[in-house]
Amino acid sequence: KAGVTQTPRYLIKTRGQQVTLSCSPISGHRSVSWYQQTPGQGLQFLFEYFSETQRNKGNFPGRFSGRQFSNSRSEMNVSTLELGDSALYLCASSSLAGFSTDTQYFGPGTRLTVL
Amino acid sequence: AQSVAQPEDQVNVAEGNPLTVKCTYSVSGNPYLFWYVQYPNRGLQFLLKYITGDNLVKGSYGFEAEFNKSQTSFHLKKPSALVSDSALYFCAVRDEAGGFKTIFGAGTRLFVKA
Repeated sequence: KAGVTQTPRYLIKTRGQQVTLSCSPISGHRSVSWYQQTPGQGLQFLFEYFSETQRNKGNFPGRFSGRQFSNSRSEMNVSTLELGDSALYLCASSSLAGFSTDTQYFGPGTRLTVL
Repeated sequence: AQSVAQPEDQVNVAEGNPLTVKCTYSVSGNPYLFWYVQYPNRGLQFLLKYITGDNLVKGSYGFEAEFNKSQTSFHLKKPSALVSDSALYFCAVRDEAGGFKTIFGAGTRLFVKA
């Protein structure tokens, strides 16, 4: 079974631009979560989608948004980029049931650099 | 509020020796606890989890972890360390109230010396 895939793997943007990152979950998984990883703040939860509905949201500004499609693929968007948005963005998918006991499987991440 | 603490930024151990990476947690309900490992420029790989039942959980690559409710701890252990175990280790917690809002510890870097 193919794992979680994320595109693109690397991205360089300038301040003020916007960016869209994509995540394809493991086949059959309906839950997708997004995390931001930085050296200073560690791993922080952004949001989680299950069957196209956002179920949980972390403490990030409204510039960070996401969505999930009917095939469970997910995108996250960051508008008006700031230098502090430079990070590794990780996507994780979980199995069919969508319970909080489910294991999350992570993709390789998208490394975003904001200049 | 949920929280996870990994008190050691770095753990150094000689190859062949046992290793322990510490984790303590705080949640309002029953905890669901996870350990992940991250290699350079890679995503997180799942090692093991505790949901309920036996306090000793066995996972991938010879790792195990012991859930201790009274000490609110979930330490990761391995009887004999390998150089290839050198990586960044994350402890994480969820509870029913938090749903899928997984809270991660700051991470512990493990160095295994040959």
